[in-house]
Amino acid sequence: NAGVTQTPKFQVLKTGQSMTLQCAQDMNHNSMYWYRQDPGMGLRLIYYSASEGTTDKGEVPNGYNVSRLNKREFSLRLESAAPSQTSVYFCASSEGQAGYTFGSGTRLTVV
Amino acid sequence: GENVEQHPSTLSVQEGDSAVIKCTYSDSASNYFPWYKQELGKGPQLIIDIRSNVGEKKDQRIAVTLNKTAKHFSLHITETQPEDSAVYFCAATLDRQLTFGSGTQLTVLP
Repeated sequence: NAGVTQTPKFQVLKTGQSMTLQCAQDMNHNSMYWYRQDPGMGLRLIYYSASEGTTDKGEVPNGYNVSRLNKREFSLRLESAAPSQTSVYFCASSEGQAGYTFGSGTRLTVV
Repeated sequence: GENVEQHPSTLSVQEGDSAVIKCTYSDSASNYFPWYKQELGKGPQLIIDIRSNVGEKKDQRIAVTLNKTAKHFSLHITETQPEDSAVYFCAATLDRQLTFGSGTQLTVLP
């Protein structure tokens, strides 16, 4: 009963490097989301996917791209990492308007 | 879009006392209001939620109230215990997107 699984848990990148954060859910949810969490700012939506085959921008999409690979998987890509992208990233899934289920997060540091 | 404000940012209570966290939202079309608890190093976990057609909901020591006219909702924790210490987030849903408050660090002192 894994829920939402994120990999990796920790990552350090140099400025300009690229990487992909992976997310998979086993609850057969239609909707998936990527949030970033910064101190004192709560969680801010980066991108979301309301259903397989669709993606939309959230509040802070600049510098990120996403792919909804299938119903289970939703990845977040940083093409050219910047120090401002140092954050904790959370993936979540939901069915309709029901409460979201969050993964355990990826702590990313860009130096 | 929606804007959610949450107060206080930090809250310390004695074990056994009650804790109240308050949130306001900006868009009257929002219709679903969940509360999340986040423990250190973990993702947020849903603890209680309320829909706009309900004024109050209770689950054991936790209750949530909603005032649609004033556009505010509150989390009430009674008989607090040390394991209640965590960061709590309120959120409001508009167009199937959650907007979060900035969080409240609750510390329950033994």
